[in-house]
Amino acid sequence: SFFLTQPPSVSVSPGQTATITCSGDGLGDKYASWYQQKPGQSPVMVIYQDTKRPSGIPERFSGSSSGNTATLTIGGTQTMDEADYYCQSWDSDTVVFGGGTKVTVL
Amino acid sequence: QVQLRESGPGLVRPSETLSLTCTVSGGSINIFYWSWVRQPPGKGLEWIGYVYHNGNTKYNPSLKTRVTTSFDSSKNQFSLDLMSVTTADTAVYYCVRGGQFWWEFPYWGQGALVTVSS
Repeated sequence: SFFLTQPPSVSVSPGQTATITCSGDGLGDKYASWYQQKPGQSPVMVIYQDTKRPSGIPERFSGSSSGNTATLTIGGTQTMDEADYYCQSWDSDTVVFGGGTKVTVL
Repeated sequence: QVQLRESGPGLVRPSETLSLTCTVSGGSINIFYWSWVRQPPGKGLEWIGYVYHNGNTKYNPSLKTRVTTSFDSSKNQFSLDLMSVTTADTAVYYCVRGGQFWWEFPYWGQGALVTVSS
């Protein structure tokens, strides 16, 4: 089975950079997407195909990939970025989500 | 701008069938892949499966024996049936639209909480 592993939590000070990793065997051969979910709201795609940013997503959100690890970076983190973040990919015609990372802006 | 909205019972009895419908507006349902994703309270996201307008379907192996998805292009709707539910199936159920690739989800419904309880 294909699994994606994320850190459960990340803390960042306002204005600093938050980095969230997502690792999985073979992830380097696939695309990763990232979703932001605030309490009580539906997830919002913030990165797709490893590095692309959908229309309307602030430029402070960026994605990268190296080896079997995908990374979401939030540069100049704002209090509004406090949320759960999920990475996602697919394998054998099945979508897989990471367990999610809670980003706290202190 | 495409919009998706889930509808269906908010309470289902154990062993019965959970049925939800997603109504799509702002775009044709006859392109893209359409999926269901669920999220148990306080937990992460789980993909359930997809349906395509030509009838093709694909399901999460962990649920495939209990899941059926269907498509009604005349109503711009697609549906989910999850059979023999247990309390573990209590979750917010989202309908989502695929992007350039079927596994990318740029559009999500607001979500529907379904509670399984006697």
